[in-house]
Amino acid sequence: QSVLTQPPSVSGAPGQRVTISCSGSSSNVGAGYDVHWFQQFPGTAPKLLISRNTNRPAGVPDRFSGSRSGTSASLAITGLQAEDEADYYCQSFDTTVSGSWVFGGGTKLTVL
Amino acid sequence: EVQLVQSGAEVKKPGESLKISCKGSGYSFSDYWIGWVRQMPGKGLEWMGIIYPGDSDIRYSPSFQGHVTMSTDKSTNTAYLQWSSLKPSDTAMYFCARQFRQVPDYWGQGTLVTVSS
Repeated sequence: QSVLTQPPSVSGAPGQRVTISCSGSSSNVGAGYDVHWFQQFPGTAPKLLISRNTNRPAGVPDRFSGSRSGTSASLAITGLQAEDEADYYCQSFDTTVSGSWVFGGGTKLTVL
Repeated sequence: EVQLVQSGAEVKKPGESLKISCKGSGYSFSDYWIGWVRQMPGKGLEWMGIIYPGDSDIRYSPSFQGHVTMSTDKSTNTAYLQWSSLKPSDTAMYFCARQFRQVPDYWGQGTLVTVSS
């Protein structure tokens, strides 16, 4: 059971917009910790997609955007493309163990 | 260019010991925490713990405390993750990642560990 809750899967047709939710609690996202998002293709390392809730690292298309409110965060992908099909994870920190990272269970995005 | 390069895949038997590595380059290795993350086959990401090379401060996840040991060697800019007695349930991909201002920004390519008799 992951500390952060994500839907196991989402899907959308090319060109559409999809969102992936990430629900936390008062000991992590609700405590004010930032949420980061990662994209992972099979057999490869996670890649930082969104940092500090809303920031895109260099090279990440502006089709990807993030938001955070209260104990939850969301990742939105607009203009869906076939190459966006991947697993997406949210990550934050938790007060339970000092310095600990907590992850969502991951969401499989399927481009129809 | 910041890079984390991990050691190659390992195949071990239950009860054997193992030490895998994560070598950093392109930045001041001692100044950034290194975290370790497990990904079991077909599963999600699990935080194992984090170590600060500057003073070897370590924080373990309760789920992994006592089963793995983290260490670093500042002279070679390398972080290590080791087991003294592997179990089949340790079969997984292991990633190291640099933490920059609380953001795991750069990741190693992963080390696949297979434990089977």
